[in-house]
Amino acid sequence: GAVVSQHPSRVICKSGTSVKIECRSLDFQATTMFWYRQFPKKSLMLMATSNEGSKATYEQGVEKDKFLINHASLTLSTLTVTSAHPEDSSFYICSARVPGRGGEKLFFGSGTQLSVL
Amino acid sequence: QKEVEQNSGPLSVPEGAIASLNCTYSDRGSQSFFWYRQYSGKSPELIMFIYSNGDKEDGRFTAQLNKASQYVSLLIRDSQPSDSATYLCAVRPGGGADGLTFGKGTHLIIQP
Repeated sequence: GAVVSQHPSRVICKSGTSVKIECRSLDFQATTMFWYRQFPKKSLMLMATSNEGSKATYEQGVEKDKFLINHASLTLSTLTVTSAHPEDSSFYICSARVPGRGGEKLFFGSGTQLSVL
Repeated sequence: QKEVEQNSGPLSVPEGAIASLNCTYSDRGSQSFFWYRQYSGKSPELIMFIYSNGDKEDGRFTAQLNKASQYVSLLIRDSQPSDSATYLCAVRPGGGADGLTFGKGTHLIIQP
């Protein structure tokens, strides 16, 4: 299947610092990527849709100035958590649509566990 | 608010039996339906997808869709301990939306 690579897998940072998470599509071009976050024992919540060459579309309640998304190429989208606080601690997962027979499917990166101290 | 509902479980099934996972959705215009498996601390892995009413089989997995009842299910035959995980139902809403809406997941435990 399609491969979506996400890095880093785990990061611990101090409150007030910024953290960048990278999401790469390794064997296909992804014009659209999605960023989700997941709290323990909760479902995935869509944060934003990242479109190559244009501004990201954020879901209601997600601060665009806090969660900066850049989709500079067809294979790379980045999420930067700015001025991180403990409540930002969560599991962040990127995903990309892969076209194919039967329609498009969504594949996920391996996720990034962010812990803000 | 477009919602996807799942029983959180845990659902306990003996090894070798059939595990039945259920999901309902609120958006009648939804077009695509997905089942993901997620192990603890890992990201979701696509198991099955279905677009048309009826059954779709892939190995030990069968997805069932009933759009009239807004209901989608996943059957796992010959359950194995390695099937123990959280199973997430996901729906692509109608209206041209891109992202998927996920249910909270059902925690499945296969008892050896």
